[in-house]
Amino acid sequence: GAVVSQHPSRVICKSGTSVKIECRSLDFQATTMFWYRQFPKQSLMLMATSNEGSKATYEQGVEKDKFLINHASLTLSTLTVTSAHPEDSSFYICSASDPFDQPQHFGDGTRLSIL
Amino acid sequence: SQQGEEDPQALSIQEGENATMNCSYKTSINNLQWYRQNSGRGLVHLILIRSNEREKHSGRLRVTLDTSKKSSSLLITASRAADTASYFCALETSGSRLTFGEGTQLTVNP
Repeated sequence: GAVVSQHPSRVICKSGTSVKIECRSLDFQATTMFWYRQFPKQSLMLMATSNEGSKATYEQGVEKDKFLINHASLTLSTLTVTSAHPEDSSFYICSASDPFDQPQHFGDGTRLSIL
Repeated sequence: SQQGEEDPQALSIQEGENATMNCSYKTSINNLQWYRQNSGRGLVHLILIRSNEREKHSGRLRVTLDTSKKSSSLLITASRAADTASYFCALETSGSRLTFGEGTQLTVNP
């Protein structure tokens, strides 16, 4: 079945560091990728929709300069948390959508901890 | 709000029992999906039911959808300890965009 790989799985870094998270679709071309954020024991909140070759569409309240998204190819989207602070600590999950198949396929998530 | 509302928030049962989780929503949907999440992991897709469908089965899973009541239920039969996880409903409204419910934490005791 379709597989989405997300890397790294865990990041611990100091406040002020920028962190890049990669999301790759391994066996299909993903024209659209989605980035979610999840706080402990809460639901997934959509942060942005990433379309290959165009600018990402951010949800209301999500700072696009804080969370940079690049979707340069049909198999790779990246989320960069710039100048991360402790309040950015969270679980970030990506998903990828194959236009010829449903449903969305999710990565295993990245646990980001900012000290 | 487009978000699905799930109940119960938490459910604890014994192995072999059935588990039922419910999801209610307020908007029109293209389809409704159920996902499972083990602690600290990504989501695993369980089942998708389209707005023109009323019931779907997959193994021990049974999903119903009542668009007139804007509600869906997920039934897991003959539960196992390995079914312990969080279960989320997700509404697809447009452009593959999903809105997730708050989730139900299911604990199956051996």
